[in-house]
Amino acid sequence: EADIYQTPRYLVIGTGKKITLECSQTMGHDKMYWYQQDPGMELHLIHYSYGVNSTEKGDLSSESTVSRIRTEHFPLTLESARPSHTSQYLCASSVSGTGLNEQYFGPGTRLTVT
Amino acid sequence: SQKIEQNSEALNIQEGKTATLTCNYTNYSPAYLQWYRQDPGRGPVFLLLIRENEKEKRKERLKVTFDTTLKQSLFHITASQPADSATYLCALPDYGQNFVFGPGTRLSVLP
Repeated sequence: EADIYQTPRYLVIGTGKKITLECSQTMGHDKMYWYQQDPGMELHLIHYSYGVNSTEKGDLSSESTVSRIRTEHFPLTLESARPSHTSQYLCASSVSGTGLNEQYFGPGTRLTVT
Repeated sequence: SQKIEQNSEALNIQEGKTATLTCNYTNYSPAYLQWYRQDPGRGPVFLLLIRENEKEKRKERLKVTFDTTLKQSLFHITASQPADSATYLCALPDYGQNFVFGPGTRLSVLP
């Protein structure tokens, strides 16, 4: 099992609420990612970070924001949740220099916005 | 960026048979390609990486091939077991140091 954690695992929240999805890893990985995945569909990269104070938007347009103040922590925030944000959010990390570039994924947060 | 296609239909096979899954990409040939396994409600788990100069890579009952001419990778599970039932994703490096994932193929191994 990879040492990457996400909380909460499940969240049901009303429209307009502000939410933060937590992601932490204890492996000291420099790279971290957020993906969005609808049931039966592919993963879409929404944010990534190559290190502390480095954050970038991914391919999929997202109204969320991220921060990377500490190596191990990469939270994702939605300022005003909408039903279109209902999805599974997966956090991942990887380390440079191993040659494998394998990504370690957390268990995911299933978000439902009513 | 890359576009990836995998077996569009779910794959059902009998226990003990070999499952073969395909991954086709459309743009430039990547330096390597990865395969992941994803169980329902969980994050993907890395299985294998194959580099462009490797024709074949094996790990226990898993075998991956990489044909840069065909722009295709094949993923084989020999002596398949019901526990192998999952969705299998291929992933390629994209711009920068990121990855693009295929839609996955759902494999069901029937006892």
